[in-house]
Amino acid sequence: GENVEQHPSTLSVQEGDSAVIKCTYSDSASNYFPWYKQELGKRPQLIIDIRSNVGEKKDQRIAVTLNKTAKHFSLHITETQPEDSAVYFCAARHNDMRFGAGTRLTVKP
Amino acid sequence: GAGVSQSPRYKVTKRGQDVALRCDPISGHVSLYWYRQALGQGPEFLTYFNYEAQQDKSGLPNDRFSAERPEGSISTLTIQRTEQRDSAMYRCASSKDMNYGYTFGSGTRLTVV
Repeated sequence: GENVEQHPSTLSVQEGDSAVIKCTYSDSASNYFPWYKQELGKRPQLIIDIRSNVGEKKDQRIAVTLNKTAKHFSLHITETQPEDSAVYFCAARHNDMRFGAGTRLTVKP
Repeated sequence: GAGVSQSPRYKVTKRGQDVALRCDPISGHVSLYWYRQALGQGPEFLTYFNYEAQQDKSGLPNDRFSAERPEGSISTLTIQRTEQRDSAMYRCASSKDMNYGYTFGSGTRLTVV
């Protein structure tokens, strides 16, 4: 089955800096790659996703890139703000969805 | 409904008891998924359904765990003879179909004492 690895497990940045989280996946048939943000005590919320026929997608301060050949994808957050602090999960789907272990992002004011 | 609804929100049960966790997906969503999430960890896949058909149950830890979705809407995850290691947040998610992202429910926090 699919195996998703996520790095780093924790990330601390200064407000205004960029943050990058990277994931790799094992199943070359996976074709959908979402990112979820989970704040403490809340449910994971979808923030951006990308499909396998696209290499990059951007939504305001958030962008995701996908390299299907290398089987890795990344989340980029620019101009980080304290409210970006949360745990971020990547996921990959062929049939069911498998999640990475998460990255705890802390944005220091 | 407007969102994915799970009940109960919290469940405390004694070791050895059976529990049933309920998930009511967004109306019209074909796919329904069950995950287990330990504190500080990513969601761990358990099983999923398209309509009433269970497509994959490879993530169920052992045969004490079972799930059903008899009419293709509400789903129940049942854990028999609960053990302390079953304590976790159990999350349900649904999507329109295989081509869409998930919407997660608020989860059921299960504590086995």
